[in-house]
Amino acid sequence: AQSVTQPDIHITVSEGASLELRCNYSYGATPYLFWYVQSPGQGLQLLLKYFSGDTLVQGIKGFEAEFKRSQSSFNLRKPSVHWSDAAEYFCAVVFMEYGNKLVFGAGTILRVKS
Amino acid sequence: KAGVTQTPRYLIKTRGQQVTLSCSPISGHRSVSWYQQTPGQGLQFLFEYFSETQRNKGNFPGRFSGRQFSNSRSEMNVSTLELGDSALYLCASSLVGPAYEQYFGPGTRLTVT
Repeated sequence: AQSVTQPDIHITVSEGASLELRCNYSYGATPYLFWYVQSPGQGLQLLLKYFSGDTLVQGIKGFEAEFKRSQSSFNLRKPSVHWSDAAEYFCAVVFMEYGNKLVFGAGTILRVKS
Repeated sequence: KAGVTQTPRYLIKTRGQQVTLSCSPISGHRSVSWYQQTPGQGLQFLFEYFSETQRNKGNFPGRFSGRQFSNSRSEMNVSTLELGDSALYLCASSLVGPAYEQYFGPGTRLTVT
């Protein structure tokens, strides 16, 4: 069955350090891929998306993600984390035969140490 | 352009009651989807509406229903509330088709006592 996995529930990084959040999916074809961020008590904000083409995509707030077909992965990266990046991050996937339905990973809570 | 708005933002209901939540999509967006977020189950898809028709439905009981109006605004209703229905209910709107990103509202926090 199609699924989305975010293996890290919590991640702590120091301010200024680099960040990588992992996302893997299970699917026979290439889905549409998204990363969202949620601050406490807020809705979800779209960081970036991948539909096709260049496998390295740039998003808002200095984030980027790389799609690797061979690994069924879509990892989110940021070269230098700021304290304001502390939030929960969700990888989400649209599997074509299910229409517009987003399937979310369990989320990764990012804590930033000063 | 105004974002997705949801009303009310917070709601407290008693078990057995029913509740209606409202969502106004971004202007020009005709697809509206609803998601439930709980600490135990995470983010789960409830249903999607387009042109006043439900196009897709998640794995939720029939107590959860929705509708969409001709101006694309949407409502969802939960009847016979259970304690487990306590959650953040998120609405998202998009242009039509899976290749368009969904934009989320701030959510309605429902607490069932």
